[in-house]
Amino acid sequence: SQTIHQWPATLVQPVGSPLSLECTVEGTSNPNLYWYRQAAGRGLQLLFYSVGIGQISSEVPQNLSASRPQDRQFILSSKKLLLSDSGFYLCAWSDPPGHTQYFGPGTRLTVL
Amino acid sequence: KDQVFQPSTVASSEGAVVEIFCNHSVSNAYNFFWYLHFPGCAPRLLVKGSKPSQQGRYNMTYERFSSSLLILQVREADAAVYYCAVTLCWTTGRRALTFGSGTRLQVQP
Repeated sequence: SQTIHQWPATLVQPVGSPLSLECTVEGTSNPNLYWYRQAAGRGLQLLFYSVGIGQISSEVPQNLSASRPQDRQFILSSKKLLLSDSGFYLCAWSDPPGHTQYFGPGTRLTVL
Repeated sequence: KDQVFQPSTVASSEGAVVEIFCNHSVSNAYNFFWYLHFPGCAPRLLVKGSKPSQQGRYNMTYERFSSSLLILQVREADAAVYYCAVTLCWTTGRRALTFGSGTRLQVQP
């Protein structure tokens, strides 16, 4: 069976600090991977998606970036966090692309 | 721009049947997905497809550009956010799902 992990579960960071959120998937190969954000009172917003190692597509211009150094690892980063980066970040995978997306447990990020 | 539309809030009473409507303007989208999301937790797939389908208390209607999620015998515990998403009927490796902004279900006892 497939499992998706995200860490940390919660994070409190000051404005201007760097960010690294990690997502890993087990039990599948070459999945599509996605990063979503849910800001307070708003719906799911797709941030990045990846169809393979080193292949990242950005949906929304912002100060965040994503990387996929390994087949089942997806990392969300920022060099300098903004207050507006606060939210609930969800990683998801699908296999094959176009089919159901399965979400990880999420990371609650608070930027102060 | 491709978009998925759903109401921001729907209210219901316990024991009733509630309908959450969704329609889209996504070119070539064919399949609908309905997710249940308790904020702070991972969204969970309820029902999906390109035809009417049922999973337990969850029914999905299907039209080419619209779908409704019907929840039977609504309970207070069903109070959550419900997301509608659509996807293409074929894939090219691009992003798979376009999500609506979510519908918050309020359940009155």
